[in-house]
Amino acid sequence: EIVLTQSPGILSLSPGERATLSCRASQSVTSNYLAWYQQKPGQAPRLLIFGASSRATGIPDRFRGTGSGTDFTLSISRLEPEDFAVYHCQQYGSPPFTFGQGTKVEIK
Amino acid sequence: QVQLVESGGGVVQPGRSLRVSCKASRLIFTNYGMHWVRQAPGKGLEWVAFISHDGSNNYYADSVKGRFTISRDNSKNTLYLQMNSLRREDTAMYHCAIDMWSSSWPFWGQGTLVTVSS
Repeated sequence: EIVLTQSPGILSLSPGERATLSCRASQSVTSNYLAWYQQKPGQAPRLLIFGASSRATGIPDRFRGTGSGTDFTLSISRLEPEDFAVYHCQQYGSPPFTFGQGTKVEIK
Repeated sequence: QVQLVESGGGVVQPGRSLRVSCKASRLIFTNYGMHWVRQAPGKGLEWVAFISHDGSNNYYADSVKGRFTISRDNSKNTLYLQMNSLRREDTAMYHCAIDMWSSSWPFWGQGTLVTVSS
């Protein structure tokens, strides 16, 4: 099983600041099938990034995914009020499919 | 827009069974594999099970293997999760999601809440 470790657990930032979230895998992710999801309270996860660096339909370009192998990063260039949420990374290359424990981006 | 609507959740005693469903619309259901993912209160996401587009292949998380069964009825555009021998730690919101191969899982339902309690 590929274990995904996200850091930090909580990121306290102000609107307009840059956010950098990390996701580290215990072994190489097959075909870099690494996704990032945003989740707000009471809502289903929303796909942001797939294939490590491709933005999903309708996702603004302030969201950027980078990385390969075992180290991946989600960057949000300038935080908008609606970006404060929990972010999950996920590997979907090989079962069992796994998620990181999540990073909460909160308003400072 | 693709729509997934889960149903069938509720309160159930430990050791009992429950079946949850996911009705899909506005897509060619038979083209896609499907997943169940759960989220315990205040916790992260946990993948539960996968079924291929035609039901011929499935995979399970170790935590549910031997107790849960994923199935689908393509004539009804519906996905199921039969949950037997339920435990308190199975308490969670259960979401279904569509597998779009390399594009990951872009469509999710809002979930149905399963509470295992005596």
